[in-house]
Amino acid sequence: GESVGLHLPTLSVQEGDNSIINCAYSNSASDYFIWYKQESGKGPQFIIDIRSNMDKRQGQRVTVLLNKTVKHLSLQIAATQPGDSAVYFCAENSGGSNYKLTFGKGTLLTVNP
Amino acid sequence: NAGVTQTPKFQVLKTGQSMTLQCAQDMNHEYMSWYRQDPGMGLRLIHYSVGAGITDQGEVPNGYNVSRSTTEDFPLRLLSAAPSQTSVYFCASRTFRGVDQPQHFGDGTRLSIL
Repeated sequence: GESVGLHLPTLSVQEGDNSIINCAYSNSASDYFIWYKQESGKGPQFIIDIRSNMDKRQGQRVTVLLNKTVKHLSLQIAATQPGDSAVYFCAENSGGSNYKLTFGKGTLLTVNP
Repeated sequence: NAGVTQTPKFQVLKTGQSMTLQCAQDMNHEYMSWYRQDPGMGLRLIHYSVGAGITDQGEVPNGYNVSRSTTEDFPLRLLSAAPSQTSVYFCASRTFRGVDQPQHFGDGTRLSIL
């Protein structure tokens, strides 16, 4: 079946470094992608999104890259801070009337001071 | 701005008991949904609604009922709780206004079934 997966389940970085979290998707019909951050005991928090007609989108300290040729999505966090420590999920919307999001299993980002 | 509010935050039930998880949003969002989150499984869609009076099943609907009598509220009912329903439940909402809007989540209800 179609699924969204992550290459790395855990990522540990030093404070101030840049972080890159990767995500692979298999549904070629997906046209909208979202990155969420989930801190312990909290719900997923929207970070940034991108439509399939774009290759790159930037936010505040975050950039999402979309490579449709290899069905790959990445989240780049610049100057990673301890407050960035969390689980990061990618999600894809394959379209259709149910607006269903398919989530990956998440990557745990740990920022070391 | 409260966003999506879920109550209760924690609940322990015995097998066979019933309960309702509450979800309310104050953003006038048309779409609301319920997910469960289990270790190693990611978030899975239980039920969703595209507007008041309209509900439909997600990928794991068995054992759960929903209703949508108002735009703001979308309660999730467990009619006869089972240990397999021990999980963290998240409610989310989004608007259809504008192209491709993300879903916004509440902080979850942590449910244990003994």
